[in-house]
Parts: sequence; structure tokens; C-alpha cells
Amino acid sequence: GENVEQHPSTLSVQEGDSAVIKCTYSDSASNYFPWYKQELGKGPQLIIDIRSNVGEKKDQRIAVTLNKTAKHFSLHITETQPEDSAVYFCAEGGYQKVTFGIGTKLQVIP
Amino acid sequence: DTAVSQTPKYLVTQMGNDKSIKCEQNLGHDTMYWYKQDSKKFLKIMFSYNNKELIINETVPNRFSPKSPDKAHLNLHINSLELGDSAVYFCASSQALRGGWNEQFFGPGTRLTVL
Repeated sequence: GENVEQHPSTLSVQEGDSAVIKCTYSDSASNYFPWYKQELGKGPQLIIDIRSNVGEKKDQRIAVTLNKTAKHFSLHITETQPEDSAVYFCAEGGYQKVTFGIGTKLQVIP
Repeated sequence: DTAVSQTPKYLVTQMGNDKSIKCEQNLGHDTMYWYKQDSKKFLKIMFSYNNKELIINETVPNRFSPKSPDKAHLNLHINSLELGDSAVYFCASSQALRGGWNEQFFGPGTRLTVL
């Protein structure tokens, strides 16, 4: 995968509201779609991933959906908390490498 | 225990110098990576090694030379540093999965500032 588009680039939500981040990709052969969270001064950390044989995956307040036909996938965070504030990256696992989106800076306002 | 460690955490140096960043992982993974993150937070792969063999070499200037003495280490040497090399460099590792991808574990990053 050479191109992963991610939006929005910044997102502010009130504590308790939901946040949604969307990504699109171009390589139909891609089969792995992880989401990483990067807190200030730290390296990215995987929070959830999905493979191409699954349409949706959920882990507590975090869920990811994948539409292979439309080539897009989304991250949903419900009941947001201040500690969810970070930069979130979507990524696409294609031939030989994982390509990252530009990142979304999420701010959860208490 | 630190899974992926990098040294140094901060590196400030003059243009034209040569510097190295070291990376070690204690996860037993067979694949290691170097990423560059610029000031806009864009995360771009530079190199990937699998069992000490180079498998990805993106369009990175040849002033950058990775070296993998063993599976647990992947160092990055940079010659003739330029202002545009200023960035945060992340090392990462993963365990290769037949026919697919696995989670990448990132180090804490090395902030390189070239003056």
C-alpha cells in the first residue's frame, strides 16, 4: 500500500462523547489494518487491529470497522476520556511494509 | 522490562557530523524497522530488516546506513548530517507472520536536532 488517507487531522470532542476517525487506502491486496495511539513524547502503540477477513472488531470502548469494497476503515472511540487525548494513526499492511496515515490529533475536553 | 529501547533519547549535533542511534529489542522478534517522524508527525518507514537481512530500503539518502549485528539489534548510522535530518527516529520490531502482518512494537524515539 502506498497511499493511506486519514481524516480529520484534528478532532476535539467533549468528554463522554464519541470520536470517529476515518481512513481510506488504495491497495486492494492489503490485508491488515492497525490503529496506533501516540502519546506526547512516546512511541506509537497498537490499540486495535483488524484483518481483511473481518468487518468489525471491538475492544471495550474502541471499535474498528472495515469496508473492503469501498477500501475504507474507521476507528470509533465511545465515552471518550481525557486520557484518550493523543495522536492516532491508521495504517495499512500491504506488500512488504506497513504504511501509516498522517495522524489525527484527538483532544478530549473535560 | 523495556521491550524496544533506543539510545540516545536526545541527540543535538552540528551539520556535517556523523552520528549513530542504537536500537535493541528483547522480544525475540525477527523483524526490525527504522521510522522517521517529522515535525508534522508524519511517520515514514526508512528501513526494515528480517533476520539481519535488509528487506526494505525506502528512498532514503545513502548517508543513512542501517546495521544489524544480530536479530536483536538494528543501529542507524548517519553521515554528513543535514538540517533536514532533524526529526524523531523510531525503532520498531515485530514477529513476522506467514502471509500477513503483526503488531509492531515501537521504541521511545530519538529526537535528533541538527544545528
